[in-house]
Amino acid sequence: ETGVTQSPTHLIKTRGQQVTLRCSSQSGHNTVSWYQQALGQGPQFIFQYYREEENGRGNFPPRFSGLQFPNYSSELNVNALELDDSALYLCASSLVRQQETQYFGPGTRLLVL
Amino acid sequence: AQSVTQPDIHITVSEGASLELRCNYSYGATPYLFWYVQSPGQGLQLLLKYFSGDTLVQGIKGFEAEFKRSQSSFNLRKPSVHWSDAAEYFCAVAPLTGGGNKLTFGTGTQLKVEL
Repeated sequence: ETGVTQSPTHLIKTRGQQVTLRCSSQSGHNTVSWYQQALGQGPQFIFQYYREEENGRGNFPPRFSGLQFPNYSSELNVNALELDDSALYLCASSLVRQQETQYFGPGTRLLVL
Repeated sequence: AQSVTQPDIHITVSEGASLELRCNYSYGATPYLFWYVQSPGQGLQLLLKYFSGDTLVQGIKGFEAEFKRSQSSFNLRKPSVHWSDAAEYFCAVAPLTGGGNKLTFGTGTQLKVEL
């Protein structure tokens, strides 16, 4: 139990739609990162938010966007969904201080038809 | 660009046998190094991490890992595997800047334990 929760647990969308995934970080954690884990692959870093501002981005297009709120919650938004967006989306929260551990949520499994 | 290689996609061991999972990384400088475990339907749980100092790192659930700079490796070991260790294991690296929390993962090793 990491104290990081994600909703929904599962989601089915069709190509071209938009989706919002939510994450509630561990209390006091000022950094949240989002990862995409395709079937049979390791997680890939999408982006990180620190104090409500983007603080680094992986190799993902702009249709992947995020928000971080003062109450330790955050959102991942994906526009114009593509079939390849089907994956498990993980959020992880931490303190930005050096050598702090990231705590992962259980993920949201997104299926795009 | 940094990369992580886990050469073994699947490994099967008998309960009570020893285990070694391999991890090699490619990076400009020694990064932060991690091992995570993922059980079905679960998120990732940190087993252990290496930032600096002693190259043999102890983690949870009886796991340890050894950092070998000359080989760019960070192999995970356990002397006696339990059936509950069956899961997928991921090696990951993170740059020294940024607090060690922008992770690059390997593709994972699926561990099966035979009773």
